[in-house]
Amino acid sequence: DGGITQSPKYLFRKEGQNVTLSCEQNLNHDAMYWYRQDPGQGLRLIYYSQIVNDFQKGDIAEGYSVSREKKESFPLTVTSAQKNPTAFYLCASSTWDGNYGYTFGSGTRLTVV
Amino acid sequence: SQQGEEDPQALSIQEGENATMNCSYKTSINNLQWYRQNSGRGLVHLILIRSNEREKHSGRLRVTLDTSKKSSSLLITASRAADTASYFCATDAPWGAGGTSYGKLTFGQGTILTVHP
Repeated sequence: DGGITQSPKYLFRKEGQNVTLSCEQNLNHDAMYWYRQDPGQGLRLIYYSQIVNDFQKGDIAEGYSVSREKKESFPLTVTSAQKNPTAFYLCASSTWDGNYGYTFGSGTRLTVV
Repeated sequence: SQQGEEDPQALSIQEGENATMNCSYKTSINNLQWYRQNSGRGLVHLILIRSNEREKHSGRLRVTLDTSKKSSSLLITASRAADTASYFCATDAPWGAGGTSYGKLTFGQGTILTVHP
């Protein structure tokens, strides 16, 4: 079955530590996205990529980094520069023009301990 | 930047009743989409309506789009307890050089729908 997989489901980060969230899709989608969701809030765009080896900052990119070395994979690193990283992180993919909607992963809940 | 605003923030109804959620946005769009999110889960795409369409149906869902008022509504008919979830509208507005790129969605804050058995 085609889909998008995020791992891990839960992640705990210590102060000053970098952590990487995984996102893999087998839908042959060109575009991939990372969103952050805070409790009771909508989604805010962190980074997006429309093609391999290219990505663009979204609205809240500070403290985050990404790579797109393969079409299937779009990992997100939450760096120590991100001062308030506790949130629910959602990865999504779509065709290059998004004209058929996004497919979302099941999310990673990141908590700072 | 928050493109869409949804109304109401929360809606509580009985099974069998209809539920209507509204979304307003600020700029011209290519399309508008509705998503559902069950608690603690990812979002599920429900329906997409293009800027040149006025109404679209999918099963018990009916979406309308009024580009002159920059607003959309989602109607769920004959609601069920399983429809309990948060519902988000998302707009695909032109971006990039010349405003010719698409596919980057901006989400509203969502409407929390509770359907009581």
